[in-house]
Amino acid sequence: SQQGEEDPQALSIQEGENATMNCSYKTSINNLQWYRQNSGRGLVHLILIRSNEREKHSGRLRVTLDTSKKSSSLLITASRAADTASYFCATDGNGGAQKLVFGQGTRLTINP
Amino acid sequence: DAGVTQSPTHLIKTRGQQVTLRCSPKSGHDTVSWYQQALGQGPQFIFQYYEEEERQRGNFPDRFSGHQFPNYSSELNVNALLLGDSALYLCASSTHRASYTFGSGTRLTVV
Repeated sequence: SQQGEEDPQALSIQEGENATMNCSYKTSINNLQWYRQNSGRGLVHLILIRSNEREKHSGRLRVTLDTSKKSSSLLITASRAADTASYFCATDGNGGAQKLVFGQGTRLTINP
Repeated sequence: DAGVTQSPTHLIKTRGQQVTLRCSPKSGHDTVSWYQQALGQGPQFIFQYYEEEERQRGNFPDRFSGHQFPNYSSELNVNALLLGDSALYLCASSTHRASYTFGSGTRLTVV
């Protein structure tokens, strides 16, 4: 079964607005990562946040991590049509095997 | 710098047949993981190879097997295909504690 749960499952906003997606997980983690997937193709790595970090920025992306609540959020500011995609959070648990556990994703649609 | 290369990109097979998918990792990466992604779902971990051995396995039947070669490339084999095996199969490469790089996937359709 999948550990991560993204919320909402689908999100539709106007271009220029901000988009926020949430992710919850169940077990202890080393890192949490966010990926983007366009049209059912490969996953593109967006950002990694370590368990001892609380916030991280990369361009228009802002990720927060609350390990006490086992949750993370991804904020995309000033959205563009090209941001239309599915977004997944993925966690890797304790141990050295680096297995990633994905949520079911949020389908983001940016309307022009 | 080439990323992860997967072949073929699309494949149609008949129930009961066998299939082999291939993956070449990113230069400098020594670990290859395989994921299955059903339509509308997140990827699910199949197994991971390191130093030519299966290091960890997800909840998949023995019909799913793999191999890693000395040049770190990998194959995923699925025997006795079922309709439910239709999915996007993703390969990801990494090195110790580094972020994953995913390939574009192989879309397998079983008819």
